[in-house]
Order: sequence, then C-alpha cells, then structure tokens
Amino acid sequence: GQQVMQIPQYQHVQEGEDFTTYCNSSTTLSNIQWYKQRPGGHPVFLIQLVKSGEVKKQKRLTFQFGEAKKNSSLHITATQTTDVGTYFCAALYQTGANNLFFGTGTRLTVIP
Amino acid sequence: DTEVTQTPKHLVMGMTNKKSLKCEQHMGHRAMYWYKQKAKKPPELMFVYSYEKLSINESVPSRFSPECPNSSLLNLHLHALQPEDSALYLCASSQWVTGNTIYFGEGSWLTVV
Repeated sequence: GQQVMQIPQYQHVQEGEDFTTYCNSSTTLSNIQWYKQRPGGHPVFLIQLVKSGEVKKQKRLTFQFGEAKKNSSLHITATQTTDVGTYFCAALYQTGANNLFFGTGTRLTVIP
Repeated sequence: DTEVTQTPKHLVMGMTNKKSLKCEQHMGHRAMYWYKQKAKKPPELMFVYSYEKLSINESVPSRFSPECPNSSLLNLHLHALQPEDSALYLCASSQWVTGNTIYFGEGSWLTVV
C-alpha cells in the first residue's frame, strides 16, 4: 500500500521554541492535508495544500508543499502549551479519490 | 466542536456479541467514512461511502459490516470481534468524494473482551 513517512516521531520543545514536522512520499501526491489530534481527541483538519510549491500560513503555523509534490512540512513558530498534540499529514495520491493515507504522525510535547 | 456525531462514545463488548456504532452528520455531505485508530498510530481507512453507496473497502474483515441507510447516517455493525479489534473508531464526512476536507467525529472507543 501507499506509505507516507513522517518525521520526527516525537518532539519535545521548550515553550517559545520553534517546531517542524516533515512528511515524505515516494510518489507524487494529488494534495496533502494536515490534521491535529489532541491527546484523547479526534483529528481536526488544519489545512489542505494542492499546488506545487504552495505555502500557507495560519497565525504561527506555516505549511509548505514541495515543488515535486512529494513532501510537505508544518512549522510552528514560538510554540505554546496549546500546541500539544499529534500532527498528522494525510496524502491523497489520485485526483478524484478520497482515500486519505495518514502519515505516522509527530507527537509534540511543549514544556512550560 | 464537531458536526459529526458518533454514538456510543464508549463500548465494551464480548467476542460473541453483536453491536453497532452509529454516526450522523447534517452538513449535507455526500461522502462518509469509517476509520480505525489504534493507540499511538495514525487513523487507517476502513470504508468509504459515496452517495450512500460503498465505494471503498480497504480489505476489512467481514466481522465489520458497514451500512449507510441515508445520506446523513452511517452505521458499523460489529459481530464476533477479536480483542485486537479494540481501538478508536472514527466516523468522518466530506462534502464530495474528491479531495475535500474530511471532518471527523469524536470517535467511539471500542474494547473487545
């Protein structure tokens, strides 16, 4: 099956430090989505990237889609304790399909 | 708050029991999904319904039986489950089938004893 690799698996940061998680695919993606799941919660949609090289920002969060549409990143500036959770990328491989393949996730811990 | 409602939130069932998980959305979405999530793992797609018809079955064992009675409802019937089926079962929906934002419910925590 399709595999989406995500690194790192875990990240502990001091509050105020930056955080980045990376998502990589061996094949070209149709689009990529990012979700956040708080401990004990459900995945919540953050953003969708469709175009090659696309960059989108949401306050302290910056999302990028690679030029080759095979990788993506999520960067959080000046983390806060509310950023705690697991961040998943989710890839769509084919236009017209909706079977999202989730990356392995990065669990972020923010130390106050 | 999610607009995808799942019941029950918690379910404990024996291996010989028959139970059902229910999901409801009133956003007018035409695609609905079941995902399974084990602890510390990403959600795994089980089934996709498009316009109330099953469009994707990711090789799920027959002890899991989905049902879509109408465009707002999605059920997952459970029978003869194994302890390793214990997981969080997430229902989700999207406006259309093609590459849209997927909205997840809060999930049903299932324990098989």
